[in-house]
Amino acid sequence: SAVISQKPSRDICQRGTSLTIQCQVDSQVTMMFWYRQQPGQSLTLIATANQGSEATYESGFVIDKFPISRPNLTFSTLTVSNMSPEDSSIYLCSVGTGVYEQYFGPGTRLTVT
Amino acid sequence: AQTVTQSQPEMSVQEAETVTLSCTYDTSESDYYLFWYKQPPSRQMILVIRQEAYKQQNATENRFSVNFQKAAKSFSLKISDSQLGDAAMYFCAYSWSGAGSYQLTFGKGTKLSVIP
Repeated sequence: SAVISQKPSRDICQRGTSLTIQCQVDSQVTMMFWYRQQPGQSLTLIATANQGSEATYESGFVIDKFPISRPNLTFSTLTVSNMSPEDSSIYLCSVGTGVYEQYFGPGTRLTVT
Repeated sequence: AQTVTQSQPEMSVQEAETVTLSCTYDTSESDYYLFWYKQPPSRQMILVIRQEAYKQQNATENRFSVNFQKAAKSFSLKISDSQLGDAAMYFCAYSWSGAGSYQLTFGKGTKLSVIP
């Protein structure tokens, strides 16, 4: 398994602003993922972030709204841009290990007012 | 596209009793992985158990076991000797080994309450 930390753990932001969420892993991993969990809902994959290449976004998510960086094998950031109340969610990062399972960070609870 | 269905939005169990959470999935692949994740109110997603589709033997992790029926595309989770700390949202998830991308598809979840 891997130990994953996220910053911030929660934030309250005003509409129109942007927030960058950091994800740090205690070991080198090839694949990192970003998920959104809207209130009372399941997890939806936003994008896959591989080191050294552009992130791969899922249908319904675009780079202009959710830019992702992956500068090395232990770190990634997700930015939620030009926020609206509909962006209020929990954002989780996860890492893929060699047996197709993923381990998750503690999540960032974002509230947009 | 692969889909995962959890038909029980909420379940409850008496402490020390056994409960089974249901999950079905749809896939045309023959080689894949199935998972159960637990999400307590702290929102941390915790991997509970994993099942490889090519293995006929059902996975077991302490008080947690699965009933994997590949032909029926069913993957239920049994929790024995339920404890108060088992109260959480439980998500069933599918991963296709051939995709190479480790993507997980989640069900909508089952909220489990444990009654003291």
